[in-house]
This record gives sequence, C-alpha cells and structure tokens, in this order.
Amino acid sequence: DTGVSQNPRHKITKRGQNVTFRCDPISEHNRLYWYRQTLGQGPEFLTYFQNEAQLEKSRLLSDRFSAERPKGSFSTLEIQRTEQGDSAMYLCAYTPGEWAGYTFGSGTRLTVV
Amino acid sequence: KQEVTQIPAALSVPEGENLVLNCSFTDSAIYNLQWFRQDPGKGLTSLLLIQSSQREQTSGRLNASLDKSSGRSTLYIAASQPGDSATYLCAVPRDGQNFVFGPGTRLSVLP
Repeated sequence: DTGVSQNPRHKITKRGQNVTFRCDPISEHNRLYWYRQTLGQGPEFLTYFQNEAQLEKSRLLSDRFSAERPKGSFSTLEIQRTEQGDSAMYLCAYTPGEWAGYTFGSGTRLTVV
Repeated sequence: KQEVTQIPAALSVPEGENLVLNCSFTDSAIYNLQWFRQDPGKGLTSLLLIQSSQREQTSGRLNASLDKSSGRSTLYIAASQPGDSATYLCAVPRDGQNFVFGPGTRLSVLP
C-alpha cells in the first residue's frame, strides 16, 4: 500500500477513444500531481492541484487532456481522442507539504493501438 | 530553469559491490531532494528525502548525500544485491510548485 491508489493499472484503447484514469490519495487537503512517463525517460510534470484548485498545467497537457479534483479528494485525468503518442505510464503523486516529499501511486499504463 | 542529470545512465555490477549513483541539478535554491526507485512497469518508491539543511540521510544499506552549493547529490548503495536491480531516479523541486526528475540510472546487480 503506497498511500495512493490508481485505477486502472492497465488500459488498452483504440486510437480516437476517450479514456479516464483515477487517483485516490490516502488523505485530502494536500497537493496532488499528475506525471507522465515514457519508456526510458524520467517522469514529466503534467498538472497539479492544491485541494480542488488546479494551480498549474504543463505545456504537455494539450487541449485533449483534462484533469479534475472535485472536493479536494480523488482526481481524474481524461484524455479525449487518444493518439498513439499518448501511450505512456501516467503517475499520480501527493504531498501534505513540500517538506514531506512525495508519495507516488503504482501508475496507470496506457497503450493506444 | 531547473534541469536534472544523472550519471551513469546504466550500471552493471556483480553482487556484493558498493556503488555510487550521481545526480546533478542546475538551480541550487532547493529545499529538498528525493531519491526514488522504480521497478520495470511499476510506480515510484521513495527511498530517501534529504532536506536542504541536511547533508545526508541513511536508510539501511542506502546513504544519500546532498551538496547544494555544487548542485550534486549521490546515492551510495553498500553490499549490492540482485534485488537492488531497478532504475533509480532523483527529483528536486522546481519553482516551488512542482518537481523535476532526472532520467534515471538503470542498475543491474548480477548474482
């Protein structure tokens, strides 16, 4: 148990379909982050929330991507009209504060065929 | 702009060796640095968190040091074991909002 649950663990979808991932951190009222990792690379920042407010979005987050965190608890990341280039591991992390470091979930591996 | 590099990119050692992984960052104005381990196809597991006021942290056979002035951190693994085989990543804060990762060092410990 990492303290962050991500679902699903794996997702295979056809190009053009929409997909949604979910992240459930162990506690609320903290910062929640979404990162994307492609094979052989370090994770890249996508977006983060302070409670329910989305405070920053990376240029990697195109218009096809949307993230929400209603009520400051769980978060969802939706990709519309998926492309093969979206195939990656999508990682969620949270922190109660920068001093505490970050805890990651097990990730959702997306394969677009 | 914070950039993080890690050397070496890959490392293969026989079981029992002591080894050092290196992490360099360009902006020394950080408040902490974190080392993670990642097994193939899995998420990230936190190994050590070093606050800016600290010079090193230890956990079992792992020891991480931090030199902010030179923009460097090292992860020392003593008496390596095959179970240590994984990718090791370091991460530092960027602009106080999110954090940036290095590309990782892929470690193989041969029995």
